[in-house]
Amino acid sequence: EAQVTQNPRYLITVTGKKLTVTCSQNMNHEYMSWYRQDPGLGLRQIYYSMNVEVTDKGDVPEGYKVSRKEKRNFPLILESPSPNQTSLYFCASSLRTSGRAYNEQFFGPGTRLTVL
Amino acid sequence: AQTVTQSQPEMSVQEAETVTLSCTYDTSESDYYLFWYKQPPSRQMILVIRQEAYKQQNATENRFSVNFQKAAKSFSLKISDSQLGDAAMYFCAYRSTRNSNYQLIWGAGTKLIIKP
Repeated sequence: EAQVTQNPRYLITVTGKKLTVTCSQNMNHEYMSWYRQDPGLGLRQIYYSMNVEVTDKGDVPEGYKVSRKEKRNFPLILESPSPNQTSLYFCASSLRTSGRAYNEQFFGPGTRLTVL
Repeated sequence: AQTVTQSQPEMSVQEAETVTLSCTYDTSESDYYLFWYKQPPSRQMILVIRQEAYKQQNATENRFSVNFQKAAKSFSLKISDSQLGDAAMYFCAYRSTRNSNYQLIWGAGTKLIIKP
């Protein structure tokens, strides 16, 4: 089954304790992205990757790191989590397109993170 | 920068009736995509409908249709014959065709309640 998986689905942690949220896709997609969802704000992009070893900042990258060493994986790293990073996180992936051509973004199931 | 605004935090409709969710956006571009996503309590992001800006014809998917007014920068979603399973958060989203980052710009969402 074609899918994007995230782990863990739920995580409660404490301020300053490093954590990693994994994201994996089995569709051979070049493009992957992380979003955070907060009430009243919708989703905002944290980081994205156009291909292996190519990553760039989205709109809210502060406090996060990513890596893309393999095509299928795009982990989100919080080196020193703080309470303002309590949020719902989504990973998404798609094929790369050119010009007007469209390819759907597939979303993972979400990770609910609470930082105390 | 592009923005997406959903001015209705919550809407309710009687089962089997029709409801319209509003979305406005701001952009200086002429070519883009617009989307409606559904997020049920499971938190999964589900694509409901997509509209290409260069197409004048409004998109339709079964009971879901849009009213795309390009000049007014308006993109509303109409749900006909509302069903209990339609209860969810609905997000309007924008994507440029020119940006090499396939970033989705999201509205804050509208919570749709279906009354039996």
